[in-house]
Amino acid sequence: GAVVSQHPSWVICKSGTSVKIECRSLDFQATTMFWYRQFPKQSLMLMATSNEGSKATYEQGVEKDKFLINHASLTLSTLTVTSAHPEDSSFYICSASPLGAEAFFGQGTRLTVV
Amino acid sequence: RKEVEQDPGPFNVPEGATVAFNCTYSNSASQSFFWYRQDCRKEPKLLMSVYSSGNEDGRFTAQLNRASQYISLLIRDSKLSDSATYLCVVNMGGGKLIFGQGTELSVKP
Repeated sequence: GAVVSQHPSWVICKSGTSVKIECRSLDFQATTMFWYRQFPKQSLMLMATSNEGSKATYEQGVEKDKFLINHASLTLSTLTVTSAHPEDSSFYICSASPLGAEAFFGQGTRLTVV
Repeated sequence: RKEVEQDPGPFNVPEGATVAFNCTYSNSASQSFFWYRQDCRKEPKLLMSVYSSGNEDGRFTAQLNRASQYISLLIRDSKLSDSATYLCVVNMGGGKLIFGQGTELSVKP
């Protein structure tokens, strides 16, 4: 099946710094990728849709200036958490869908802001 | 109202039990439907797609009723390894997925 690789798998950063998370589709081209966030004991919440070559589409309540998304190529989308704070600590996960149906997920990134 | 709603959990069942999960969705334009399984601190893994005709994969049976916007998952002869969180997922098109809050299943010896 299709493979989506996400990096890093975990990161600890200081409050106020920025963290970049990469999501790559390894064996297919993805014009669209999706970024989700999951807090403990909660489900995955869609944050934004990453569109290759154009601006990301953010879900209601997600700050686009805080969560910067760049989708510069057909196989790479990045999510940058800017000026991270402890409340941004969460599990961030990306997905892509080669044929628009079944989604394949990256391994997820566990972010801890201290 | 949440877009995808699932049974509240957790479900604690003995090995060998049959357990059923229910899910409803609010958007009638939803295109396709899935059950995913998520183990603690891991990414979700596709368990099975769900079709109106119903589909079965070993001990797992999934059903979809588009008229009532209802999805179900039945697990027969539960195993310890079935312990996980089960996510009802709706595809709005183009791979955009909306997740239910998940139902935690714990299978005990």
